[in-house]
Parts: sequence; structure tokens; C-alpha cells
Amino acid sequence: AQSVTQLGSHVSVSEGALVLLRCNYSSSVPPYLFWYVQYPNQGLQLLLKYTTGATLVKGINGFEAEFKKSETSFHLTKPSAHMSDAAEYFCAVTTSLTGGGNKLTFGTGTQLKVEL
Amino acid sequence: DAGVIQSPRHEVTEMGQEVTLRCKPISGHDYLFWYRQTMMRGLELLIYFNNNVPIDDSGMPEDRFSAKMPNASFSTLKIQPSEPRDSAVYFCASSFRESIYFGEGSWLTVV
Repeated sequence: AQSVTQLGSHVSVSEGALVLLRCNYSSSVPPYLFWYVQYPNQGLQLLLKYTTGATLVKGINGFEAEFKKSETSFHLTKPSAHMSDAAEYFCAVTTSLTGGGNKLTFGTGTQLKVEL
Repeated sequence: DAGVIQSPRHEVTEMGQEVTLRCKPISGHDYLFWYRQTMMRGLELLIYFNNNVPIDDSGMPEDRFSAKMPNASFSTLKIQPSEPRDSAVYFCASSFRESIYFGEGSWLTVV
């Protein structure tokens, strides 16, 4: 079985500051990892994903994440926060992209607040 | 493409009534998922389909919940009878290969 743990249900940063949202995974087989963002009253939007290849993954809106197998982590970062980044962020994992279906297991989410 | 389309966006219903949520997946996607989001339990996978066939419904909370996918472009999630604890946001998602795309959700309130 796979799972993800997001450390910190709420993170607050100043506009222009570094954003760091933490995600650790547990999986008995190589994982595929995703970050989604959810703005108020909206669905989830895919930010970025790691499937194979380069461990540093770049996504939309200036976000990136690095897959670190030794640390079982997939933390999300952005060098400079913008007010429009305020939202809830979900880390998700799956161990299959085909066959049994790429059903995702989600973390509990991290609410990002950006202050002036 | 218009993305995953869900209806209704908001529904308020009385306990005991039947609720039907609808979803139109992205054309060409072969997987369809129904998720439920609540404050207490986060995002839970209820059921998913592959090529219109239900593959895993182990997340469906009880017999009051049922889902169908009569064709590649339409799915329903039905709750009968509804209860206040069913109040949640229900998301439909579809995928082709590794990326899953979500609809905007159906906000259900059962009073």
C-alpha cells in the first residue's frame, strides 16, 4: 500500500519569500508522485508530476519539486511567493500508471497563506 | 477541450431524497474516477472505471451509493436515500495514462 504525509496543514509565507511544502511518501515499489493545487471553490489542478527520468520536476506557475528516493520525499518549492499562490496543495502518490489504473492516494493537504 | 464537466455544481437536498451527480469526462480518456472531499476525511476515492467498466468500488461507503458509466462520455453517482453525513464535495476525474484531470466538483449539502 502507498501513502503520503504532508507536514504542516497550514503554511504562511510573506510575498516574495521562498515557498516550501513538504511531502513524504511510503511505497513498497517505485512511486509516481504528483502535486495538485486547489483554489477556493474549485477542483484540483495538476501542478507537476514525477514519473520517470529527471528527479527535479518543473511545473506550472513557477513551482518545482525534487524526488529524493533516499529521503522518500517530494517537496514542492517556489523561489518567490505571489499572492495568487494562496491555495490548498495536495501531494499524491500512485504505484501504477496502467493496468490497475492510476488511482491516486492523496495527502491531507497544506493550506498556503501568502501575506503582504 | 472543455475539461471534465460536472453537474450540478451545488445541490441542497433534504435527508431521504435521492441525489444524482453527473460527470462528462474528457474525450479520449479511458479512466474515470469519483472522489469525495470532506474536512474530516480529506480526499477519498469512491470508485473508478476503465473503459466504462467499474474496476474498484471498495471506497463506496455503503449500499446507498451507486455509480454507473453507460458510455464513454457520461457517468453518474447516485445516493439514495441521502443522509446529512453525505454532505461533501464530490469530484469526478478522468485520465489517460499518468495525468488525472479533475472537474470543478459538485457541492452537496443534505439537510
